[in-house]
Amino acid sequence: AQSVTQPDIHITVSEGASLELRCNYSYGATPYLFWYVQSPGQGLQLLLKYFSGDTLVQGIKGFEAEFKRSQSSFNLRKPSVHWSDAAEYFCAALTGTALIFGKGTTLSVSS
Amino acid sequence: EAGVTQFPSHSVIEKGQTVTLRCDPISGHDNLYWYRRVMGKEIKFLLHFVKESKQDESGMPNNRFLAERTGGTYSTLKVQPAELEDSGVYFCASSRLAGGWSTDTQYFGPGTRLTVL
Repeated sequence: AQSVTQPDIHITVSEGASLELRCNYSYGATPYLFWYVQSPGQGLQLLLKYFSGDTLVQGIKGFEAEFKRSQSSFNLRKPSVHWSDAAEYFCAALTGTALIFGKGTTLSVSS
Repeated sequence: EAGVTQFPSHSVIEKGQTVTLRCDPISGHDNLYWYRRVMGKEIKFLLHFVKESKQDESGMPNNRFLAERTGGTYSTLKVQPAELEDSGVYFCASSRLAGGWSTDTQYFGPGTRLTVL
């Protein structure tokens, strides 16, 4: 069965430090992959998506993600974290019409 | 352009009562989805409408849940009677393209937090 795994439940990084959030997927075919972010009181906002082509995908708010088929991974990165990036991040894969989500990673930013 | 809206934002009910959640998708979006996140678990798919028709309801947990989409516009999700395990956050999402397979982005609402006591 298809699945998405986010190994880290909670991560704390210092403001200005780099960030990498991990995501692994299990899916037979080439997956369509997404990263969403949820800030408190807000809906899920799409950061970026990968359908095909260039394996390095640029998103909003300075985020990027790299699709690595050999590692079944789609990790999210940001070179310098801002305090406003504190939120919960979800990796998801599209199967048919439904999204399958990981459990989410909560990011805290320390000053 | 207005985003996906959901009402209410919070609902607290007692076991056995009925609750109806409402979702207004982005105007012109044919696809409408319901998802649910139970505390500590993943966000899980419940069902998918294409216009007013249920395309996929494989994620609906049981027959206490009833979803409708009147005239292909807003949608309601009714839980009757509610049980303790129904507590969680219910998200609605919509996307533009019609059809069974859509790679178009799903835009999410803020969710309705349901607490069943």
